[in-house]
Formats: sequence, structure tokens, C-alpha cells
Amino acid sequence: GAGVSQSPSNKVTEKGKDVELRCDPISGHTALYWYRQSLGQGLEFLIYFQGNSAPDKSGLPSDRFSAERTGGSVSTLTIQRTQQEDSAVYLCASRFTGVDASYEQYFGPGTRLTVT
Amino acid sequence: AQTVTQSQPEMSVQEAETVTLSCTYDTSESDYYLFWYKQPPSRQMILVIRQEAYKQQNATENRFSVNFQKAAKSFSLKISDSQLGDAAMYFCAYSRSNDYKLSFGAGTTVTVRA
Repeated sequence: GAGVSQSPSNKVTEKGKDVELRCDPISGHTALYWYRQSLGQGLEFLIYFQGNSAPDKSGLPSDRFSAERTGGSVSTLTIQRTQQEDSAVYLCASRFTGVDASYEQYFGPGTRLTVT
Repeated sequence: AQTVTQSQPEMSVQEAETVTLSCTYDTSESDYYLFWYKQPPSRQMILVIRQEAYKQQNATENRFSVNFQKAAKSFSLKISDSQLGDAAMYFCAYSRSNDYKLSFGAGTTVTVRA
């Protein structure tokens, strides 16, 4: 079946602009995670959605970052007033949490964001 | 907070030889998971192997095996019979067993020499 997809694959934006990054998880996966991979900070957790529960936003670096998940499926990560330090690869992952739930997260190919 | 440390930024191995990647972690939890992920230049993160903390037996997946030392909080990965396709960045990761949020190490770049 289809894996996790992310769009766009690459995004170049000017400092101060807003950007939206999209993640389509594997069908039936109720858990969804966003991570950021940057040269300075390595791989870090950003936000976690589980079903209809309130998201765990503990990893978001500032209030310029927000994310939503509509209908328990597609998720959008929004960065407002982008800064150069936001340049990174943003990875999305999903996980099955039903009967015989799995520990494994399936990752998408990521979106490379470059802020000029 | 959990921290994961990979002290080897780069490792090089001859094709068909064995290489061991080191990882240590810090946690106060008793129930958790440890993982090794592979990230080739395509950026796609691929799960290589995982270990449940409550299991004493070391996990093995084909040519990949781990040495899990719970008391020492050490979790090394051994790649046997290295192949050119093993060249990638390898990340050690930790998660609790409730939400599975991953904490990653800095990564080790593995180069395989033909």
C-alpha cells in the first residue's frame, strides 16, 4: 500500500513569509508525528497527534509553529514569519495504534525548507 | 528528559567486514524502546532494528544485531558482512512505551569501501 507522503518535496521561501507543509499518513494510522532535522539541532520531535486527543505540542520551538490534523488523517504544519533558522528537513511519520498496535513509525520522505 | 548520545560521527568499513556503532542513552523510565534507523541520501528513514527494554535477549535482523546493556544504558549496532547498500546515516533512537515519541542521537555516517 501507499506509504506516508509529504508535500512539497522542497520549498524555498523568503524570510518573513508563512509556509504550510503537508503530510498524508498511511491509511488507518491514527498516530502522527512531526520531526525536524537541521544541521544545528539534529533530529528533534515537534508535535504528536493521537486520534481525537489533544495534540502533544511540547516540541514546537516557538509560537510561530502550529499544526493541525483534519479528520484524523492529513496534517498541516504551518510556520509563520519564517526565519533562517527554520531551514531544515521536516519529517512526518505515522503509526498504527489499533488492535495489535505497532511501535513502528513509518516516515515520509520529508520536506526540505530553505528560508532565504 | 531523555538524551541519546552517539559518539562516532563517522565510521568506515570494508565491504564484507563488520562495523559496530555505539549509542548510549539516559532515562529514568523502566519501560521503553530503543531503535536504530537508517537514513540514506534519499532522506527516507528506515527502521533497521528495535529492542524492547524488558527483553534481555538482544535483537537480531539478518545481518544487523544489537548489544543491549540495560544497566550501562548502552545500545550498540553491529552490521555484519557489510554491503555497499549499507552506506547511510544511522540514528539511534529512544522512545517511551506510551506515546512512542522518538528522541534521536546525532547520527553516525557509515561509509562502505568496495
